[in-house]
Amino acid sequence: RKEVEQDPGPFNVPEGATVAFNCTYSNSASQSFFWYRQDCRKEPKLLMSVYSSGNEDGRFTAQLNRASQYISLLIRDSKLSDSATYLCVVNTLRWTGNQFYFGTGTSLTVIP
Amino acid sequence: DVKVTQSSRYLVKRTGEKVFLECVQDMDHENMFWYRQDPGLGLRLIYFSYDVKMKEKGDIPEGYSVSREKKERFSLILESASTNQTSMYLCASSHSGQGMNKGELFFGEGSRLTVL
Repeated sequence: RKEVEQDPGPFNVPEGATVAFNCTYSNSASQSFFWYRQDCRKEPKLLMSVYSSGNEDGRFTAQLNRASQYISLLIRDSKLSDSATYLCVVNTLRWTGNQFYFGTGTSLTVIP
Repeated sequence: DVKVTQSSRYLVKRTGEKVFLECVQDMDHENMFWYRQDPGLGLRLIYFSYDVKMKEKGDIPEGYSVSREKKERFSLILESASTNQTSMYLCASSHSGQGMNKGELFFGEGSRLTVL
């Protein structure tokens, strides 16, 4: 079983739509959770950390459900500039330090 | 501005050549990582290092080696490049602990290697 599972999409949505991405992880000892954004042929960049209480940054809302081992990202009022691949990342602390596990990414295209 | 810098953005090499990919971070991070990213396969961990001169194999270490002689620098070496090593290589670093501002992973811009 993969450490992190993520629906690859693609998601094609019109401007202004609300879109949600989901991710599950297998290791209940995982401690930190993130959503990264990756533009075509660029490196991943941190979009949001995900906290148990949920957190919001403008049009973006991230949720964590530890009991179900489930992470979500909600994008409201989609913009053309939101088109990218969104990576779910889970961090588990081991004796060698932080270990990061990645979903395969969900592709989003926002259409005019 | 914190930074992870990879020495080469684009490289073209021939089969059998030795290839060095260099990565430097200025954040005093303990952990450094090398990933490769291929379409449909996502990011796969090649090697990581949790301290100077310390290294651990990741998921796909075959055909690669690494070197970490200084804390800020982590090198990936392809001893004899092959066409199936054509890929985007991403270096990343993080602190070794958890807590506020410690669990995040910072990436370099990537090195796109083509092996002919």
